[in-house]
Amino acid sequence: SQQGEEDPQALSIQEGENATMNCSYKTSINNLQWYRQNSGRGLVHLILIRSNEREKHSGRLRVTLDTSKKSSSLLITASRAADTASYFCATDVYLGGGGADGLTFGKGTHLIIQP
Amino acid sequence: DTGVSQDPRHKITKRGQNVTFRCDPISEHNRLYWYRQTLGQGPEFLTYFQNEAQLEKSRLLSDRFSAERPKGSFSTLEIQRTEQGDSAMYLCASIEGWTSNTGELFFGEGSRLTVL
Repeated sequence: SQQGEEDPQALSIQEGENATMNCSYKTSINNLQWYRQNSGRGLVHLILIRSNEREKHSGRLRVTLDTSKKSSSLLITASRAADTASYFCATDVYLGGGGADGLTFGKGTHLIIQP
Repeated sequence: DTGVSQDPRHKITKRGQNVTFRCDPISEHNRLYWYRQTLGQGPEFLTYFQNEAQLEKSRLLSDRFSAERPKGSFSTLEIQRTEQGDSAMYLCASIEGWTSNTGELFFGEGSRLTVL
């Protein structure tokens, strides 16, 4: 089953504006990751934040993590048309091979940047 | 190119036929995952390998599905007697995983299956 749940399911903004997506999860985690997927393509890793971190930056991306609320947010600043994609949060999960040996993904937020 | 490659990228088949997908992971990656993704949904875990050993299978993986990873290199996912509900994108991902935590997964471009 999918642990993470992104909100909103879809988001449409104007180029240059900031885009914020949220992710909620159910059980404790070691880390949380965000991935991006262009239509019909594979997923690309964006950023990983560990459970003992509260905020992380990478270029125009800012990720926050609140383990007490079991939630994370992804902020994309100064959005561009090329940022149009689906964004997924992923949390580690115990699959049975020893340790947190896999990832489970949410349903994603579909982001559209209007030029 | 040293990324994860999947073949074929697209497959159209008739209901009842068998199909096989291949995944070549990044060469030094010992863990390999298969996920299935339907339209508007996130990837759902199917199975994964640590080297050649298949360590876990999802309940989504019915007895019509089989996966192998001979010699711990490439992997194949076979679907027998395909059904229309099998239509989806099948994604492969790999990682150099020896730790107890899962870091960044490297995904291939996926194999899209359409069952008519």
